[in-house]
Amino acid sequence: DMQLTQSPSFLSASVGDRVTITCRASQGISSYLAWYQQKPGKAPKLLIYAASTLQSGVPSRFSGSGSGTEFTLTISSLQPEDFATYYCQQLNSYLALTFGGGTKVEIK
Amino acid sequence: QITLKESGPTLVKPTQTLTLTCTFSGFSLSTSEVGVGWIRQPPGKALEWLALIYWDDDKRYSPSLKSRLTITKDTSKNQVVLTMTNMDPVDTATYYCAHIRSRAGYNQGFDYWGQGTLVTVSS
Repeated sequence: DMQLTQSPSFLSASVGDRVTITCRASQGISSYLAWYQQKPGKAPKLLIYAASTLQSGVPSRFSGSGSGTEFTLTISSLQPEDFATYYCQQLNSYLALTFGGGTKVEIK
Repeated sequence: QITLKESGPTLVKPTQTLTLTCTFSGFSLSTSEVGVGWIRQPPGKALEWLALIYWDDDKRYSPSLKSRLTITKDTSKNQVVLTMTNMDPVDTATYYCAHIRSRAGYNQGFDYWGQGTLVTVSS
């Protein structure tokens, strides 16, 4: 079964910090990966798809990279509105569209 | 403007079948390269993908839940329906439907989501 492992599961950071979240796939998925941001009580918001393509309207401080089995989401300068939980998801429809376990970003 | 909204029971009993409807606007499921999926989230836990249906009626299911799920579409009503059989308290979750584009066979992520509906399974 396809599995996505995110690390860390929790991180504490300050406004202005550079933050990196990692997502590892149990098998190679080329660039079939998306990243989402979710705030409490809200539906997730798509940030990035195809591993590195920024969704329209998403600030440029968000970026994604990677291919195969290892992917990263980077926030170049953390803003107050970025404190949230982040999920990766694999997008190859011939495999389960699995989500990672999430990374909660909290204020230090 | 794309919108989606989930509807269905808020409380179901164990062993019952859950039927959820996603009613959408701003796009058509008869347009190529479009799909609608279902995702759930138990309270305080991670997202879990359940099922996806494409414009051409191609359907995908979570392997772990495949035997319990059925997804269908009614293009004329702009609706997608998900049924889940043999409900259990562990299925208590917020259920979301979401829109996805697929360009040249490449899914581009769930870009529009409904607000979600909380379904509680309890006797």
